[in-house]
Amino acid sequence: SQQGEEDPQALSIQEGENATMNCSYKTSINNLQWYRQNSGRGLVHLILIRSNEREKHSGRLRVTLDTSKKSSSLLITASRAADTASYFCATAAGAGSYQLTFGKGTKLSVIP
Amino acid sequence: EAEVAQSPRYKITEKSQAVAFWCDPISGHATLYWYRQILGQGPELLVQFQDESVVDDSQLPKDRFSAERLKGVDSTLKIQPAELGDSAMYLCASSPRGVRANEQFFGPGTRLTVL
Repeated sequence: SQQGEEDPQALSIQEGENATMNCSYKTSINNLQWYRQNSGRGLVHLILIRSNEREKHSGRLRVTLDTSKKSSSLLITASRAADTASYFCATAAGAGSYQLTFGKGTKLSVIP
Repeated sequence: EAEVAQSPRYKITEKSQAVAFWCDPISGHATLYWYRQILGQGPELLVQFQDESVVDDSQLPKDRFSAERLKGVDSTLKIQPAELGDSAMYLCASSPRGVRANEQFFGPGTRLTVL
């Protein structure tokens, strides 16, 4: 079953603009992760944020986590055509449990 | 950088036939996962191995699916007989021990089409 729900389902922006994707989940978590999937390929881990963290940065990526609202957001700044992909949030339930439950994803298109 | 290997990349089969997928995780990775991803959806866990032992196969349809990781290294996922609804991408992922155990490394997947 899907835990997370990403919003929007699809997003189209111009190169250079910022892209924001949101994820909501239902149960308490140990950590939340974001993955990228290029068309027809496997997933690539982008960033992990733990339940006691509120914000995390990695290069052009910024992730926030609000455990009171059970939501997270992924911001990609200064987007590039190569960022075109589907982005999934995934939650890990408890400490020591490494199983991930994925959302349905946001399909991002960056237009050159 | 080391990668998770999967084969075949594409498989077309007729319903009621048997199919098998192979995964070779990154060397030294103790945990191995098999996921099924239906087009337009996120991956859903089928089975998790820790070394050669099954940790969780509660979502594996055991009447037709089986998975093994006999020596705790590579793994095989089998479907027999295949049904039309099994058409999907089958993804394998592995995780290391230690501080990066939370991170999963995915292979390119096997795209299965059942006719």
